[in-house]
Amino acid sequence: DIQMTQSPSSLSASVGDRVTITCRASQSITSYLNWYQQKPGKAPKLLIYTASSLQTGVPSRFSGSGSGTDFTLTISSLQAEDFASYYCQQTYSSPQTFGQGTRLEI
Amino acid sequence: EVLLLESGGGLVQPGGSLRLSCAASGFIFRAYAMTWVRQAPGKGLEWVSAISGSDGSTHYADSVKGRFTMSRDNSKNTLYLQMNSLRAEDTAIYYCAKDVVPVISKGWFDAWGQGTLVTVSS
Repeated sequence: DIQMTQSPSSLSASVGDRVTITCRASQSITSYLNWYQQKPGKAPKLLIYTASSLQTGVPSRFSGSGSGTDFTLTISSLQAEDFASYYCQQTYSSPQTFGQGTRLEI
Repeated sequence: EVLLLESGGGLVQPGGSLRLSCAASGFIFRAYAMTWVRQAPGKGLEWVSAISGSDGSTHYADSVKGRFTMSRDNSKNTLYLQMNSLRAEDTAIYYCAKDVVPVISKGWFDAWGQGTLVTVSS
């Protein structure tokens, strides 16, 4: 199975900050890497697919990059509604594993 | 609008069984792979199982293999997860999610249900 490792596990930031979350795969997954946002008590929401494609309706302050084993999610200017948990997921092969998550806090 | 509505969760004793359902609408159900993802209280997301839209093949996480069975009824636009021999560590919110491809890989989950809570406890 492919292991996904996110860092950091938690992050404190302020409105207006630029934030980067990293995800590393245990083997190459080419660009089959997705990012989800989850707010407390809610289902996850797709932000980025295939490493860098922005899902329809997601604000442009969110961006993704990377390929192979190393990926990043960047929020260019944090807004209050961005404080949530973020998960990467590989869909290169089954099981389609998630990272352990990053909690973004004020 | 794509809608996914899970049901069937509840309290069950260790060793017991439960069947979850996920009613889908707003898209051509048979054309897409579907997945169950769970989240234990205060924990992260765990991929549980997936079923292909193309041939109905299934994949399972090692943690549930041999105990859980995933199926779909394309005539009813409904997804199922039969859970047997339940353990305390199966306690979680179970989400169904829609893939964007008919096969179990190389896609992404563009729609999720609201989740149903399964509690395994005596």
